[in-house]
Amino acid sequence: KAGVTQTPRYLIKTRGQQVTLSCSPISGHRSVSWYQQTPGQGLQFLFEYFSETQRNKGNFPGRFSGRQFSNSRSEMNVSTLELGDSALYLCASSFSAGAGVGELFFGEGSRLTVL
Amino acid sequence: SQQGEEDPQALSIQEGENATMNCSYKTSINNLQWYRQNSGRGLVHLILIRSNEREKHSGRLRVTLDTSKKSSSLLITASRAADTASYFCATLQSNTGNQFYFGTGTSLTVIP
Repeated sequence: KAGVTQTPRYLIKTRGQQVTLSCSPISGHRSVSWYQQTPGQGLQFLFEYFSETQRNKGNFPGRFSGRQFSNSRSEMNVSTLELGDSALYLCASSFSAGAGVGELFFGEGSRLTVL
Repeated sequence: SQQGEEDPQALSIQEGENATMNCSYKTSINNLQWYRQNSGRGLVHLILIRSNEREKHSGRLRVTLDTSKKSSSLLITASRAADTASYFCATLQSNTGNQFYFGTGTSLTVIP
């Protein structure tokens, strides 16, 4: 079974630009969640999607958005990039969501550098 | 913040020794999980313990959970150089729509 695939793995953008990151979950998994990881803040929850619906959203500004497609693939978008958006963005998938969720399966992440 | 706190932040031990890291959290949980992350990579699930369990083993890993103290510990026995990584606890918190919160992590270095 293929794992969680995130693209691109590395990208460099300048302030004010926008970026779109993609995540393909494990086949059969319907829940996809996104996290931002920085040295100072650790892993911060961005949002979670289940069957194309956003279930939860973390405490991030509206510049951060996401969506999930009918095949469970997910994208997240960051508009008007700021230097502080430089981070490793991690996607995780799971079969279910809510109280019954078990382990999360993570992708290798997308390393975003904002200059 | 509803993140968990882990201690120590960093731990350095000799190969063969045991490593213990602790996690504290703030609210009621459905389950608590431990993950491992090699530098710059994704997280890998190690073990899950439910809120009604007190101890769980998996290979060289032993996890305990004390819901009254809102704390958990991860013990890695007979450590190996390959265990060098960062370890995170994650809590599935029932009062926030069952959202995961990750701890701040413990950076473990195992010296050969």
